[in-house]
Amino acid sequence: ETGVTQSPTHLIKTRGQQVTLRCSSQSGHNTVSWYQQALGQGPQFIFQYYREEENGRGNFPPRFSGLQFPNYSSELNVNALELDDSALYLCASTMGGLDTGELFFGEGSRLTVL
Amino acid sequence: AQRVTQPEKLLSVFKGAPVELKCNYSYSGSPELFWYVQYSRQRLQLLLRHISRESIKGFTADLNKGETSFHLKKPFAQEEDSAMYYCALKMDTGRRALTFGSGTRLQVQP
Repeated sequence: ETGVTQSPTHLIKTRGQQVTLRCSSQSGHNTVSWYQQALGQGPQFIFQYYREEENGRGNFPPRFSGLQFPNYSSELNVNALELDDSALYLCASTMGGLDTGELFFGEGSRLTVL
Repeated sequence: AQRVTQPEKLLSVFKGAPVELKCNYSYSGSPELFWYVQYSRQRLQLLLRHISRESIKGFTADLNKGETSFHLKKPFAQEEDSAMYYCALKMDTGRRALTFGSGTRLQVQP
């Protein structure tokens, strides 16, 4: 069984640039959610995708967007990067739509915005 | 809005001592509560959830709706319990994503 994999593991961008983070869900999982974890904080929900459609969103501006593909892998895109976007971005997968409880996390992509 | 509070950033105990990691929540409905754990150089993973009412690695947690708490307890700490622990809440309506607390680092000293 393949777990959740994320790429890249680390990246550095400058303010105003755009970034794309990628996630492959665990085998058999059709739901992917993204979380932002700032230093010293717990993960904060960005959005969730189920069967290629966004079906839940946290308090993040529209410049945070995503996609889910037919193989259930997913992308997180962030436009017009700001310094406060520096964080660890976690992807998690599970089965089912909204009624998720146990999430299987990847190791994260650490984004630094200069 | 829902909120999860973990008042301690760091809890340091000696091996064999009892452990209690505190978690308080605010939510007007009937939430599901979880504890997630992250061991050194490992990914975040589920430790236990209140609906299963089971003990995992010697840890238990009881949901106290009156006190809106979900404290994590273990009678005798082991060095391998050293990790970052996050309490998380899932609402019973609307957005079902997890709301996490800020985490407590547990250090078990020999």
